[in-house]
Amino acid sequence: QVQLQESGPGLVKPSETLSLTCTVSSDSINSHYWSWIRQSPGQALEWIGYVHYTGTANYNSFLSTRVTMSIDTSKNQFSLRLTSVTAADTAIYYCAGMPIGEAPGGGHYWYYFDPWGQGILVTVSS
Amino acid sequence: QSGLTQPASVSGSPGQSITISCTGSSSVVGLGGYNYVAWYQQYPGKAPKLIIYDVSNRPSGVSSRFSGSKSGNTATLTISGLQAEDEADYYCNSYSTKTTPYVFAAGTKVSVL
Repeated sequence: QVQLQESGPGLVKPSETLSLTCTVSSDSINSHYWSWIRQSPGQALEWIGYVHYTGTANYNSFLSTRVTMSIDTSKNQFSLRLTSVTAADTAIYYCAGMPIGEAPGGGHYWYYFDPWGQGILVTVSS
Repeated sequence: QSGLTQPASVSGSPGQSITISCTGSSSVVGLGGYNYVAWYQQYPGKAPKLIIYDVSNRPSGVSSRFSGSKSGNTATLTISGLQAEDEADYYCNSYSTKTTPYVFAAGTKVSVL
């Protein structure tokens, strides 16, 4: 059973960079796409972006100018950097895997999230 | 606007069955044109947990009281034999051709009366 664990600072100052790392428990970093998702207090879930072991990344267009994701397969880790943060970036940040399925007509698909990390609350405040 | 709409709340008595709908706009092609719909259960202060994927598939370990279906651009989560432990928030997610490809609905709070 793959487990994920987020790590990083829980407090970031406005205009600075939020940096988080997700550690994957087993040697399965090559088997999924890996995403970051956030949830502001009392709000719905928001997909931030994903990264693949090949280096492919895809980001939410609303955040793409501020987001960078990377992956280190030797450490079974992937990371999130979000620059120029504001109070609106205060949220619980989750890392999650995106299993890859085989489409009936050929090709592959990925859209759902499993497993999830426990989440880390990041507060943006001076 | 994610393009996915769920009712804000649903309630039921223990033992009853309840349904939660998830309706997609035309941009949510994963729901309308494919079977790319997943459901998650989230308890307060906890991470979401996948309970249904590909409209109706249950991951190993998920209770058979949870089932999923789809008709047109609306997916439905059914919880049968409602139990107190089912009181949680439930979210659907799918794939969209809008600027954000992976979208979640705003969630439904299930209350057990």
